[in-house]
Amino acid sequence: DAGITQSPRHKVTETGTPVTLRCHQTENHRYMYWYRQDPGHGLRLIHYSYGVKDTDKGEVSDGYSVSRSKTEDFLLTLESATSSQTSVYFCAISGEEETQYFGPGTRLLVL
Amino acid sequence: EDQVTQSPEALRLQEGESSSLNCSYTVSGLRGLFWYRQDPGKGPEFLFTLYSAGEEKEKERLKATLTKKESFLHITAPKPEDSATYLCAVQVRGDDKIIFGKGTRLHILP
Repeated sequence: DAGITQSPRHKVTETGTPVTLRCHQTENHRYMYWYRQDPGHGLRLIHYSYGVKDTDKGEVSDGYSVSRSKTEDFLLTLESATSSQTSVYFCAISGEEETQYFGPGTRLLVL
Repeated sequence: EDQVTQSPEALRLQEGESSSLNCSYTVSGLRGLFWYRQDPGKGPEFLFTLYSAGEEKEKERLKATLTKKESFLHITAPKPEDSATYLCAVQVRGDDKIIFGKGTRLHILP
């Protein structure tokens, strides 16, 4: 299994509070991605990173920001959580061979 | 617009009943096509990467094939443990991102 961990694995928060999800890899891969998965929509890309401090937006980036200060860590922040951001969040990594490997996911519930 | 469509949305088979899942795609240029398996409550697990039409990959009871417009995931003599959601994704040439289909939920009855 690719060395990817996500924390926390489960989180319940209230509308309007900030939330930060962490993805940590031990593979030294260049690319890291954040997706959300919702019924009827499949996996949708939020943001991705192609190197330290290098990030770009995905399909559903509104309301989310990211940071990558080290190769191994990619943080996803919801500045002010809304109920529409209730979802399962997956981190993925890839090297130069392009195949993406996924973490175990974080279940987020925004009340 | 680049897109990926998987069919059927759901499939129920008896144990041992072979079948195929479809992934059709329209992209400006294909860099790679990926198949994943996802079990409930877990992250997608990588199965195969295909790069060019005519290519085939096999793993146990699964075989993935690729044409210029679609890919098939053939499941031969499936077992209940093959029950999962199977995801197809494509990477467009010149892009770092991949586009996922919505998946096919496969249920194998004992």
